Amino acid sequence: DTAVSQTPKYLVTQMGNDKSIKCEQNLGHDTMYWYKQDSKKFLKIMFSYNNKELIINETVPNRFSPKSPDKAHLNLHINSLELGDSAVYFCASSPGTGDYEQYFGPGTRLTVT
Amino acid sequence: QQPVQSPQAVILREGEDAVINCSSSKALYSVHWYRQKHGEAPVFLMILLKGGEQKGHEKISASFNEKKQQSSLYLTASQLSYSGTYFCGTELRSGTYKYIFGTGTRLKVLA
Repeated sequence: DTAVSQTPKYLVTQMGNDKSIKCEQNLGHDTMYWYKQDSKKFLKIMFSYNNKELIINETVPNRFSPKSPDKAHLNLHINSLELGDSAVYFCASSPGTGDYEQYFGPGTRLTVT
Repeated sequence: QQPVQSPQAVILREGEDAVINCSSSKALYSVHWYRQKHGEAPVFLMILLKGGEQKGHEKISASFNEKKQQSSLYLTASQLSYSGTYFCGTELRSGTYKYIFGTGTRLKVLA
């Protein structure tokens, strides 16, 4: 059984489109995250939810909006996609904030043309 | 604000040792270490919660110097499977909660 899953694995789209990436974890964790890894391999946290409540909201464009319908899901919706949004997006989960290891999903490679 | 890791890249022969450093300009509450193989997701290695705490995992261990706002990862008798990019994840709790990954260290172990 996959602990943290993301769909789709690959996403190719044109500038200006709106797209969503879905994330689900079956570990019973309370905290979920979205990370962006750019072409230089820097990993940057975007959002974190704890029990469906937003606890980290880094400086990302308003075009990015996370949605957590329940503790097991954290989806990422992106409006008006730009070339600079091309990256690998990772979802992760942990039992709580800070003092716990994070389990990462396989990643979604987004390419904006 | 992003913790700086050194070296940026290192090449080893099997059996050699390596040290990867993670330095922050901010006071750290905890440090996590992850390894990411090419095309895969980061995988957790260990967490250090207290200043001076050292943890071990097989031949991989780490230390955390709270005063110096630094952590070091020690890889001994390296194996081919150690190849990948190593990241420190740092937790800051001064004011708002923040979690920031370091710049990464690419490590390649040759036979």
